[in-house]
Amino acid sequence: DADVTQTPRNRITKTGKRIMLECSQTKGHDRMYWYRQDPGLGLRLIYYSFDVKDINKGEISDGYSVSRQAQAKFSLSLESAIPNQTALYFCATSDSDRGAGNEQFFGPGTRLTVL
Amino acid sequence: AQSVTQPDIHITVSEGASLELRCNYSYGATPYLFWYVQSPGQGLQLLLKYFSGDTLVQGIKGFEAEFKRSQSSFNLRKPSVHWSDAAEYFCAVGAEYGNKLVFGAGTILRVKS
Repeated sequence: DADVTQTPRNRITKTGKRIMLECSQTKGHDRMYWYRQDPGLGLRLIYYSFDVKDINKGEISDGYSVSRQAQAKFSLSLESAIPNQTALYFCATSDSDRGAGNEQFFGPGTRLTVL
Repeated sequence: AQSVTQPDIHITVSEGASLELRCNYSYGATPYLFWYVQSPGQGLQLLLKYFSGDTLVQGIKGFEAEFKRSQSSFNLRKPSVHWSDAAEYFCAVGAEYGNKLVFGAGTILRVKS
């Protein structure tokens, strides 16, 4: 089984709908991250969480919210989806002993299309 | 704040040829540097990382990268490219005492036979 899983893998929705993307990990890591990937822009950090009670905004958090339900689960919500949120979304996890020096382990991604 | 520039959006090389992908970073102190690869339809996989010490770093799949502080660069190299190396490659930088990575825009590698 994969260490970092994301559901759904693909989703098409309409403008204004609420969408939740889920991430689960079996690596036992404290830190979890949500990124979006757009062509030519690389990966941009949306939110990150260092433990269940520590959630932080990233570079592009507007229009998104997150929930860390447990150490192993980190969900990303789009309260009212808009077309420019069409992107590939990645969840990642890392250990915490080296700050930003820890390798991040990525899920397979969720391709979201907002019509 | 740190930043990363990957000057080449696309690179095409012939199978068996050598490869160099460029990465320039901006950060005031000693950075953590990473190269990740994303194969089509996959998540990102770590190729190699630099923290300190030897400036030539060996990674998986025959890749290596060299940290050059004077040029603020961390270029990725491979002596002989295989068709399976076709993918998108991301350079990333992290602060030694920070908590986040910043990724470059990526370089798409095409391999022609």
